[in-house]
Amino acid sequence: RKEVEQDPGPFNVPEGATVAFNCTYSNSASQSFFWYRQDCRKEPKLLMSVYSSGNEDGRFTAQLNRASQYISLLIRDSKLSDSATYLCVVFLKTSYDKVIFGPGTSLSVIP
Amino acid sequence: ETGVTQSPTHLIKTRGQQVTLRCSSQSGHNTVSWYQQALGQGPQFIFQYYREEENGRGNFPPRFSGLQFPNYSSELNVNALELDDSALYLCASSFDRYEQYFGPGTRLTVT
Repeated sequence: RKEVEQDPGPFNVPEGATVAFNCTYSNSASQSFFWYRQDCRKEPKLLMSVYSSGNEDGRFTAQLNRASQYISLLIRDSKLSDSATYLCVVFLKTSYDKVIFGPGTSLSVIP
Repeated sequence: ETGVTQSPTHLIKTRGQQVTLRCSSQSGHNTVSWYQQALGQGPQFIFQYYREEENGRGNFPPRFSGLQFPNYSSELNVNALELDDSALYLCASSFDRYEQYFGPGTRLTVT
């Protein structure tokens, strides 16, 4: 089993739609969680950190379920500019750190 | 713009050669991580330097090595290049091993 898995995608949604991405991780010792977005041939950009209580930033909502070891990202009122690959990231922060990116889920928002 | 810079932007090397990639971290950051990203995949964690010490490593062989300098800039060295080393190499900086901000990457082609 891969350490971090994401919905395989691609997701093709119309403008204005709500879309949800899921991510699961295998190591229960994982401590920090993030969502990044990556545009084609560009570097990943931090979208939001994911907190245990859940957090919202405008149209974006992130949730963490430690018991089930999954993270979700909800995008409401999708815009054309939301088209990108969304990467789930898990951080194991011990005496020797490890950062694990998921394979990414591609989103295309269609006019 | 994150303030993380990488050089060079593109590089072509021959199998068996050695390469050094450079990264300048964002002002105030003390941690640098390096990633390899093949086309269509998520970034793979190579290693991380925190206050000039390696404090994290992914599943990469010893021919991938690095350094972090007192100003927190960093180098990634790859010896005995193989064709499969062709990829985008990303550097990310953070403060105290938390939220990471990526540079634009170095695209390495090994022929």
